[in-house]
Amino acid sequence: QITLKESGPTLVKPTQTLTLTCTFSGFSLGTNGVAVDWIRQPPGKALEWLAVISWNDDKRYSPSLSSRFTITEDTSKNQVVLTITNMDPVDTATYYCAHRLFPSRGGAGGFDVWGQGTMVTVSS
Amino acid sequence: EIVLTQSPGTLSLSPGERATLSCRASQSVPYNYLAWYHQKPGQPPRLLIYGASGRATGIPDRFSGSGSATDFTLSIRRLEPEDFAFYYCQQYGSSPLTFGGGTKVEVK
Repeated sequence: QITLKESGPTLVKPTQTLTLTCTFSGFSLGTNGVAVDWIRQPPGKALEWLAVISWNDDKRYSPSLSSRFTITEDTSKNQVVLTITNMDPVDTATYYCAHRLFPSRGGAGGFDVWGQGTMVTVSS
Repeated sequence: EIVLTQSPGTLSLSPGERATLSCRASQSVPYNYLAWYHQKPGQPPRLLIYGASGRATGIPDRFSGSGSATDFTLSIRRLEPEDFAFYYCQQYGSSPLTFGGGTKVEVK
């Protein structure tokens, strides 16, 4: 059974750096075709894709946010970490991590398992 | 970047009725890699449809997806009470991945 769980601070101040951790089980990020993505959702608004790290360590970011975002993995701990610098109140959102299996490896390609999300508020 | 536009913004229907949701892409979605999700308040989204028309594991057959290239549709044959929620389309054929703005299906 695949599970993912996000963790991190619930409140950060403007200009601070946010570090979010996605701890997963039931799969290995080293398996061909597997990826873990980060998606966020401001209160009452739509979903926004942020970043992905794939089995081959390929990393992609949303172009509008890429200069502030870094995605890394800790294989030994089954964790994916998203770091966001220079936080702003507009970054207030629920942050989700999600599992993907690429279609080339027989997967759906969409986000088939999601974490419950972690709400982050940016306020002084 | 592929921009996805969903319509209508809100769909007011009664249980048992059919729902038809639209997702239009600003350019052709490679390989028709288009997914649909539904989301209830306070919960993460759940994958319904992938590859434009494939039903995800555990999704009842009253949900169906169709379309190709730039025009995609999610149909819900007979609305059940648990189907009243927000629905999002998402493309994963081209980076950056993008979501539509969502359609709310509400009880009339």
